[in-house]
Amino acid sequence: DAGVIQSPRHEVTEMGQEVTLRCKPISGHDYLFWYRQTMMRGLELLIYFNNNVPIDDSGMPEDRFSAKMPNASFSTLKIQPSEPRDSAVYFCASSLADSSPLHFGNGTRLTVT
Amino acid sequence: AQSVTQLGSHVSVSEGALVLLRCNYSSSVPPYLFWYVQYPNQGLQLLLKYTSAATLVKGINGFEAEFKKSETSFHLTKPSAHMSDAAEYFCAVSDQASGNTPLVFGKGTRLSVIA
Repeated sequence: DAGVIQSPRHEVTEMGQEVTLRCKPISGHDYLFWYRQTMMRGLELLIYFNNNVPIDDSGMPEDRFSAKMPNASFSTLKIQPSEPRDSAVYFCASSLADSSPLHFGNGTRLTVT
Repeated sequence: AQSVTQLGSHVSVSEGALVLLRCNYSSSVPPYLFWYVQYPNQGLQLLLKYTSAATLVKGINGFEAEFKKSETSFHLTKPSAHMSDAAEYFCAVSDQASGNTPLVFGKGTRLSVIA
């Protein structure tokens, strides 16, 4: 099992550019989560999906953020346009049902200049 | 809503000394509780979890945690620290009664181990 795979590992972009982060969850996991980690705010849940359907996106900070899960093996988190305050490490995680433990990817470190 | 509070953003211990990382939770229903560890430039890994079976939970790498309802605590301990234990540790809570609600994480505690 390769675990949760995120790409890219690092992304540096200029303010105003579109950024797309990608995630491949563990096969068979029904839940997929996007978290953002910063020094100031810790780990924040942005959005999560169950069987490819978004369940709660109340953590998405602004309309500039959007997430999709077109199938069970792929999800994207898009920021358009990006701003310097979006700089953070973005984690994708997946799990089986019923509060099962989360399996995290290694994250994407985003720097917006 | 559930929440967790981790007391101490940074804990430093000597190699071989007891490790104690504190976590208090707030939940209106019986919770599921978790401890995760994060090594530099990596994602979080599960150390152990409490899901209302035994109150003393043993995890990987010699860590264990005890659920104390009267104190609303779930502190993480290890009898003897090793240099490889240096990492960031996160406590997390989930609402057991609501099924698969997302985990809510504490702010984390960075553990340093001094040789």
